[in-house]
Amino acid sequence: KAGVTQTPRYLIKTRGQQVTLSCSPISGHRSVSWYQQTPGQGLQFLFEYFSETQRNKGNFPGRFSGRQFSNSRSEMNVSTLELGDSALYLCASTRTGNQETQYFGPGTRLLVL
Amino acid sequence: AQTVTQSQPEMSVQEAETVTLSCTYDTSESDYYLFWYKQPPSRQMILVIRQEAYKQQNATENRFSVNFQKAAKSFSLKISDSQLGDAAMYFCAYNYNFNKFYFGSGTKLNVKP
Repeated sequence: KAGVTQTPRYLIKTRGQQVTLSCSPISGHRSVSWYQQTPGQGLQFLFEYFSETQRNKGNFPGRFSGRQFSNSRSEMNVSTLELGDSALYLCASTRTGNQETQYFGPGTRLLVL
Repeated sequence: AQTVTQSQPEMSVQEAETVTLSCTYDTSESDYYLFWYKQPPSRQMILVIRQEAYKQQNATENRFSVNFQKAAKSFSLKISDSQLGDAAMYFCAYNYNFNKFYFGSGTKLNVKP
């Protein structure tokens, strides 16, 4: 079974731009979670989607948004990029999202200049 | 509020020796899951081991085992016969609700040949 895939793997943007990251979960997984990982803040939960609905949300500003499609693929969008948004963005999938092991993708490394 | 604490930012172990990584967590829940994830330099998060809180028996996976002390809210990871490939960041994680994961700040494990 193919693992979680994320595209693109690397991205360079400038302040003020917006960016869209994509995550394809493991086949049959309907829950997708997004995390931001930075050296200073560690892994921080952004949001989780299940069956196209946002079910959980972390403490991030409204510039961070996401969505999930009927095939469970998910995208996250960051608008008006700031230097502090430079990070590794990880997505993880589970089958139902209820107390299951999360399987992570390789991440998208975003650099904001 | 749920918090996960890893008090050892960095540890070193000699190849073939045993090392224990510490993790404590705070929760008022009785039914939850605990995980150890490994993140090597490739940045891919890999599940090492998981423990269900309702199970008294400590989980083991080959050279990896945990010491789960529910009353003390402690969940340490023991790595036996350490190998060079074990060098990575190790994250302790707690999950009790639909895909809401809380991660510790991580412990960097160095393995010396």
